[in-house]
Amino acid sequence: NAGVMQNPRHLVRRRGQEARLRCSPMKGHSHVYWYRQLPEEGLKFMVYLQKENIIDESGMPKERFSAEFPKEGPSILRIQQVVRGDSAAYFCASSSQTRAGELFFGEGSRLTVL
Amino acid sequence: EDQVTQSPEALRLQEGESSSLNCSYTVSGLRGLFWYRQDPGKGPEFLFTLYSAGEEKEKERLKATLTKKESFLHITAPKPEDSATYLCAVQELNGGFKTIFGAGTRLFVKA
Repeated sequence: NAGVMQNPRHLVRRRGQEARLRCSPMKGHSHVYWYRQLPEEGLKFMVYLQKENIIDESGMPKERFSAEFPKEGPSILRIQQVVRGDSAAYFCASSSQTRAGELFFGEGSRLTVL
Repeated sequence: EDQVTQSPEALRLQEGESSSLNCSYTVSGLRGLFWYRQDPGKGPEFLFTLYSAGEEKEKERLKATLTKKESFLHITAPKPEDSATYLCAVQELNGGFKTIFGAGTRLFVKA
């Protein structure tokens, strides 16, 4: 049973470009979470989604950031017009409906903005 | 206001030297408290869930306990392979399944 798959693992963008990060949850999991982690810091909640619905996006910056979890395919975290401050590791996690507190994380996508 | 505060930020132990990590939380109602382990360059790995004060969970050299305001992760006779960052997280009763993490405690165990 494959774990949470994130890609790309590393992404380099220049200021003003777009970054798209993908996350495939564990089989059978219907909840997806995105977190951002800066070096030597904790995980900052961004958004929580279920299939086709954004449940809580209270941690998402109001501009340039968006997330989706379509009926088919992976969840996507999209960052438009990236700036240097967006450089970070972005982690995706998934959980089941019955054990929604137990998050299973991917290996992360490390975004570097030049 | 921080909802989850972990201490110490870093802890250096000799192999076999037992100690505890602290996680204090401020939420209006606790749905669950969780402990994770994170190795450098990796995603966090789930360790324990605690739901109510007085509850305890154990796994190998780790034991997690919960009171109404804090949780402890006790490490008994640690080994170098226990070196990692340990993260505490909470879900509020009225917060859906949004999970808020503390900044973590970096544990270093020297042989």
